[in-house]
Amino acid sequence: AAGVIQSPRHLIKEKRETATLKCYPIPRHDTVYWYQQGPGQDPQFLISFYEKMQSDKGSIPDRFSAQQFSDYHSELNMSSLELGDSALYFCASSQRGQWNEKLFFGSGTQLSVL
Amino acid sequence: QKEVEQNSGPLSVPEGAIASLNCTYSDRGSQSFFWYRQYSGKSPELIMFIYSNGDKEDGRFTAQLNKASQYVSLLIRDSQPSDSATYLCAATYSGGGADGLTFGKGTHLIIQP
Repeated sequence: AAGVIQSPRHLIKEKRETATLKCYPIPRHDTVYWYQQGPGQDPQFLISFYEKMQSDKGSIPDRFSAQQFSDYHSELNMSSLELGDSALYFCASSQRGQWNEKLFFGSGTQLSVL
Repeated sequence: QKEVEQNSGPLSVPEGAIASLNCTYSDRGSQSFFWYRQYSGKSPELIMFIYSNGDKEDGRFTAQLNKASQYVSLLIRDSQPSDSATYLCAATYSGGGADGLTFGKGTHLIIQP
């Protein structure tokens, strides 16, 4: 069965650089969520999109932006990277509106900021 | 402020025994509850979800929900070393995660051979 695909798997950047993370949801899923997970931490919700529109916003820094495209894939753009941005970034997708909506996670992108 | 509380552990259980993981939530509006298993450096994997009071069984896993007490638990029978992982409890509103899932900080489970 198709799963959520994220790229790249690993990314190494220097401070003040920019990074773009990509997420391809499960086919027919209309909602994408982005999470950030630091070492030993629980996943923190950043932002979500439903039908290509921003749905909700969590603890996403102003330096980050995201969008969902017509094919439902999503990109998380991160600028002026800081050391504290080093984390696992997960994308999850779901079918919004189902009474038992479930999120399925991609394998994540490990971002290291040096 | 929606909160999900879990004991971070580590919870150590002998192989073959029952592992019991507990979770409480603060928002009575939460209606769907999920247990995710996460191995170190890997993505969370959904293993159980529950939305009705009572028990729900799936293989070696049983999820229990008590909405009056705002309490969710996960039982793992016949624990195996491969069950050693961090277990994340999460809650959301029925019909859609308007702000995604609210996760607990996870319980680190260790199954001792």
